[in-house]
Amino acid sequence: KNEVEQSPQNLTAQEGEFITINCSYSVGISALHWLQQHPGGGIVSLFMLSSGKKKHGRLIATINIQEKHSSLHITASHPRDSAVYICAVTGNQFYFGTGTSLTVIP
Amino acid sequence: DAGVIQSPRHEVTEMGQEVTLRCKPISGHNSLFWYRQTMMRGLELLIYFNNNVPIDDSGMPEDRFSAKMPNASFSTLKIQPSEPRDSAVYFCASSLTTRYNEQFFGPGTRLTVL
Repeated sequence: KNEVEQSPQNLTAQEGEFITINCSYSVGISALHWLQQHPGGGIVSLFMLSSGKKKHGRLIATINIQEKHSSLHITASHPRDSAVYICAVTGNQFYFGTGTSLTVIP
Repeated sequence: DAGVIQSPRHEVTEMGQEVTLRCKPISGHNSLFWYRQTMMRGLELLIYFNNNVPIDDSGMPEDRFSAKMPNASFSTLKIQPSEPRDSAVYFCASSLTTRYNEQFFGPGTRLTVL
């Protein structure tokens, strides 16, 4: 059983579409991270959340602690958003989702 | 700031050889993490240091793996002897205070063990 589940695994969208990636977890956590990994392999931390909602540019991340669920939204998607998005949680241990591969088509 | 620096970026070695990966965290950061990423297992935390002290090494696969942080600006991950199943990308990351802070990742070292 995976402690962190992401959906969908793969996602293809047209440029301009609104995108949602979901993350559910089954363990107690102190923080949840959304990471972005580009085709070149580099990893960037997008958000770290322990409650509520955060926004950075076209990206919005929300977390519901009671439901153990987080979402990453991308508004007005662009081909440069094409990447793998990874959800990770930190509590007593680290757990990672398997990632969502996003392709945005021009 | 140069960000997290890792070396080498690529390493190809033969089974049985010793491999040493190096990491320089962002200056002023107190926490350092070593991760491994493979297609089969995704990202895995190997070890986490805080103030140069190993706090959680439960992810270190076996005794062939060892990590050190002799000072705040340098860490090594050593594999001895290396095996083909160790082939992966190894990332180092650092954060300002604890593991609950935002982490900044290095570019990774792609290790191939033949």
